[in-house]
Amino acid sequence: DTAVSQTPKYLVTQMGNDKSIKCEQNLGHDTMYWYKQDSKKFLKIMFSYNNKELIINETVPNRFSPKSPDKAHLNLHINSLELGDSAVYFCASSQVRVSGANVLTFGAGSRLTVL
Amino acid sequence: GDSVTQMEGPVTLSEEAFLTINCTYTATGYPSLFWYVQYPGEGLQLLLKATKADDKGSNKGFEATYRKETTSFHLEKGSVQVSDSAVYFCALRYNFNKFYFGSGTKLNVKP
Repeated sequence: DTAVSQTPKYLVTQMGNDKSIKCEQNLGHDTMYWYKQDSKKFLKIMFSYNNKELIINETVPNRFSPKSPDKAHLNLHINSLELGDSAVYFCASSQVRVSGANVLTFGAGSRLTVL
Repeated sequence: GDSVTQMEGPVTLSEEAFLTINCTYTATGYPSLFWYVQYPGEGLQLLLKATKADDKGSNKGFEATYRKETTSFHLEKGSVQVSDSAVYFCALRYNFNKFYFGSGTKLNVKP
């Protein structure tokens, strides 16, 4: 039973299209994230939600819109796709703990290729 | 702002060689520090962590010690195996739920 699952795993689409990636976690965590990994493996945080509330919104084009219907789901919608959006997108989750023990659990990634 | 710097790769070693991957950080306050590993075609997995100064994280023969005086968290393993070939990421967590990652270091271990 996968802890953090993302769909689809692969997505190939044309420039200008709109696409969505879905993420679900069954760990009972209260915080979820989207990260973008480029071709050089650099990992950049995009968004984070805590209990359905947006708490991190890094410098990301407004063509990217996250949506969290409940604390177990965080979806990413991308409008008007561009070549530079090609990357692997990782969903992750964590449980905030004052003790400092919270860690990130990642999904397997969704590889987006824009042609 | 807070950041993580790790050595550039790729690092190529022979099996049973000693591994060190350097990681230094810049942070206000006292972040928690992590090493994550990414095997080809997979997501990142937590390898080890340390939450305060002088803590040593260890797992699967890998170790890293949280050194506040040198703001470092270097990853070491005494004898690498081919199966350790992967990309290794140093990361820090501050403010409860903000995680920042280094640029990753690719390790190739040859038989």
